[in-house]
Amino acid sequence: EVQLVESGGGLVQPGGSLRLSCAASGFIFSSYPMHWVRQAPGKGLEYVSAISTNGGNTYYANSVKGRFTISRDNSKNTLYLQMGSLRAEDMAVYYCARKRCSGVSCFFDFWGQGTLVTVSS
Amino acid sequence: SFELTQPPSVSVSPGQTASITCSGDKLGDKYACWYQQKPGQSPVLVIYQDTKRPSGIPERFSGSNSGNTATLTISGTQTMDEADYYCQAWDSSTGVFGTGTKVTVL
Repeated sequence: EVQLVESGGGLVQPGGSLRLSCAASGFIFSSYPMHWVRQAPGKGLEYVSAISTNGGNTYYANSVKGRFTISRDNSKNTLYLQMGSLRAEDMAVYYCARKRCSGVSCFFDFWGQGTLVTVSS
Repeated sequence: SFELTQPPSVSVSPGQTASITCSGDKLGDKYACWYQQKPGQSPVLVIYQDTKRPSGIPERFSGSNSGNTATLTISGTQTMDEADYYCQAWDSSTGVFGTGTKVTVL
């Protein structure tokens, strides 16, 4: 059974840092690109960051570029998101998601349960 | 930048058909997928590659995509289908989510 379990969320002051983790199991982690998607309270889904299977390619939304760093450790089946210079607008539930492609069609077929990041003084 | 627009809300009576649209420039040239999200839960994929249903998704969920609009149709809507629905497509390898639609079954 595919499982994605996020951790590391919590309360942080504006300007602070936090590292999120996503532990994967039930599939060959190193074979899948992985992504972070967030959802601010009462708002829609926002694509945040992506990383290729071997970590050699990464992507960041403009809203987090230069402040967040995505990484993965395939030996530990774990995805990370290092968040820095946090702002009030970064407050959200952060989901990790597995990207699967069927031919040229790609989608997120499994999502974690999410971890809440609260930015407040 | 590429944007996907959905109606904020759709209401439907039990047993009737609900249609949720997702509009974006030349969206029909891309593949669209749809996610269902119930309160306090993670999103669940209900349609991928415009029209395909993942294993375990009821047949009452169907999709189409042409021109500038993708559509998710729920036939014979049930109360359990009350949720937020998001379309999603890719633009230059970047994931783009729609604005989301709240489906109310009443």
